[in-house]
Amino acid sequence: TQLLEQSPQFLSIQEGENLTVYCNSSSVFSSLQWYRQEPGEGPVLLVTVVTGGEVKKLKRLTFQFGDARKDSSLHITAAQPGDTGLYLCAATTGGYQKVTFGTGTKLQVIP
Amino acid sequence: DVKVTQSSRYLVKRTGEKVFLECVQDMDHENMFWYRQDPGLGLRLIYFSYDVKMKEKGDIPEGYSVSREKKERFSLILESASTNQTSMYLCASSLVQVGGYTFGSGTRLTVV
Repeated sequence: TQLLEQSPQFLSIQEGENLTVYCNSSSVFSSLQWYRQEPGEGPVLLVTVVTGGEVKKLKRLTFQFGDARKDSSLHITAAQPGDTGLYLCAATTGGYQKVTFGTGTKLQVIP
Repeated sequence: DVKVTQSSRYLVKRTGEKVFLECVQDMDHENMFWYRQDPGLGLRLIYFSYDVKMKEKGDIPEGYSVSREKKERFSLILESASTNQTSMYLCASSLVQVGGYTFGSGTRLTVV
């Protein structure tokens, strides 16, 4: 089973600040996804990245897939309280859609 | 709006009971999955299915079984519930060869 390490585990910031969350592995992945999960709910897919070096933007969120397809980052600009939640990265290997999840980064944005 | 629906948000069961967790998706997805989520351990795959009547063990299948009689429905069965199966259970579905899952809202199961 591949290991996906996320850092930091916890992050508490003030509204308006910027932040970056990292997802790293020693394995090469065919694709990588980012999810956000709110308490008591299931994770919601934010983005899928497939190509090494790929950058995707979703409003104030910027996602990057490493050139070697072993790591990814999520950058949030001007964080808002609505960004609060657990951010999970997940990576896919092979052709069977079996996914490994990281343990998550818990983000709290204080108004 | 497409969705994955889990039949119960909260369940309390007694040790030794047989427990059924139901999951239905309306997206015509081939793939369906059952995960459990525990603090500090993240999401762990219990079972998955790529087609009707097909099932594959995930990373932690012990104490669980599954059933997929119809494409849209994937059931998780706890044959004899134990306290260490107290957890948040998440069902998900996906299209073949397309990245990303759609998750249900989860079932928080407590075994007493």
